[in-house]
Amino acid sequence: NAGVMQNPRHLVRRRGQEARLRCSPMKGHSHVYWYRQLPEEGLKFMVYLQKENIIDESGMPKERFSAEFPKEGPSILRIQQVVRGDSAAYFCASSPDALWADTQYFGPGTRLTVL
Amino acid sequence: DQQVKQNSPSLSVQEGRISILNCDYTNSMFDYFLWYKKYPAEGPTFLISISSIKDKNEDGRFTVFLNKSAKHLSLHIVPSQPGDSAVYFCAASVNQGGKLIFGQGTELSVKP
Repeated sequence: NAGVMQNPRHLVRRRGQEARLRCSPMKGHSHVYWYRQLPEEGLKFMVYLQKENIIDESGMPKERFSAEFPKEGPSILRIQQVVRGDSAAYFCASSPDALWADTQYFGPGTRLTVL
Repeated sequence: DQQVKQNSPSLSVQEGRISILNCDYTNSMFDYFLWYKKYPAEGPTFLISISSIKDKNEDGRFTVFLNKSAKHLSLHIVPSQPGDSAVYFCAASVNQGGKLIFGQGTELSVKP
């Protein structure tokens, strides 16, 4: 029973490039959450998605960031025109259904470095 | 606006003794609280949770206490083991749904 999978584990981009981070939830989980952890800080909520729907994007920066969770395939967090301040660890979490929405299980994270 | 605060960035405890990690919150609407453990270069691992209708929840060596009037929760680990050395995050949510608000974390070091 595989856990939450994220890839790539490490991603290096130059300023102005695009970063695409992928998350495959645990089997049977239909809720996906993205969090960002900046150095020396806690995790900050970014976005909450169900299949094909964005439920809560209150933590997403207004520009350059987007997320999707299509009917088929992994959830994607996309960062356009990356800047040095985007360097962080990005974690994806999943949960089974609305009744257990708070027990979120996390993936290993993608560490983004912007040069 | 830090709604969930862990004021101790680090804690050192001797093996076999009790570890007490603390967490304070400001939002009285929070009704569900969780503790996660995190090793370097890994994702957070769920440890234990508590609903606001309870004041205590226990799971093996881990016990979480909730004091709603003080807006304070704590995680007790007893006995502490060297493998418990990690960063511990408390987190909270409103209406038991959706986003989690995390504290800054406390790094626990359990010395043999």
